[in-house]
Amino acid sequence: DAEITQSPRHKITETGRQVTLACHQTWNHNNMFWYRQDLGHGLRLIHYSYGVQDTNKGEVSDGYSVSRSNTEDLPLTLESAASSQTSVYFCASSEGTRGNIQYFGAGTRLSVL
Amino acid sequence: GNSVTQMEGPVTLSEEAFLTINCTYTATGYPSLFWYVQYPGEGLQLLLKATKADDKGSNKGFEATYRKETTSFHLEKGSVQVSDSAVYFCALSGQAGTALIFGKGTTLSVSS
Repeated sequence: DAEITQSPRHKITETGRQVTLACHQTWNHNNMFWYRQDLGHGLRLIHYSYGVQDTNKGEVSDGYSVSRSNTEDLPLTLESAASSQTSVYFCASSEGTRGNIQYFGAGTRLSVL
Repeated sequence: GNSVTQMEGPVTLSEEAFLTINCTYTATGYPSLFWYVQYPGEGLQLLLKATKADDKGSNKGFEATYRKETTSFHLEKGSVQVSDSAVYFCALSGQAGTALIFGKGTTLSVSS
């Protein structure tokens, strides 16, 4: 069965370190998204991609970057981790059609100390 | 810009009670509307969706109707179960394939 997987599931890091969260999907979807989930804010869009070599900034992109070198993967990098980036991160993918369903990974819980 | 507003939680109900979670939206054009559910420790999964006015989405006893005149997509279930305890998110997609805009989520707790 097709799926979308995130790794690691839990990560603890220190302020100032570079951190990369992995996202891999086997749906062969062109569209991929990164969201962060924080209490009182719901899910907010960080970055997204509509295909290989395409990346776009979302609502809360400062301090994050992504790259899309193939269809399956969209890694999220925190260039210099800050305590404000402690959150739960979700990756999602979808087809590019109206009413398309986004399929979510299980999430990565990141703590920046 | 587009936005979603859903009722604040938590919502606490007894088993077999009737559930309503209100959701209203602001959007240009004709967005697609969704309800996602998140069980403890898991990612989000689609509960139901509607892509045009007056469409009714339904799944697992849950229903929601796309009401363009009131810009609403309220979630209802006639008889909740303990297993329905979760966080529910209302969301919209403004154009085909674009990112979802989420409400803040409503936590539902059902006791036996």
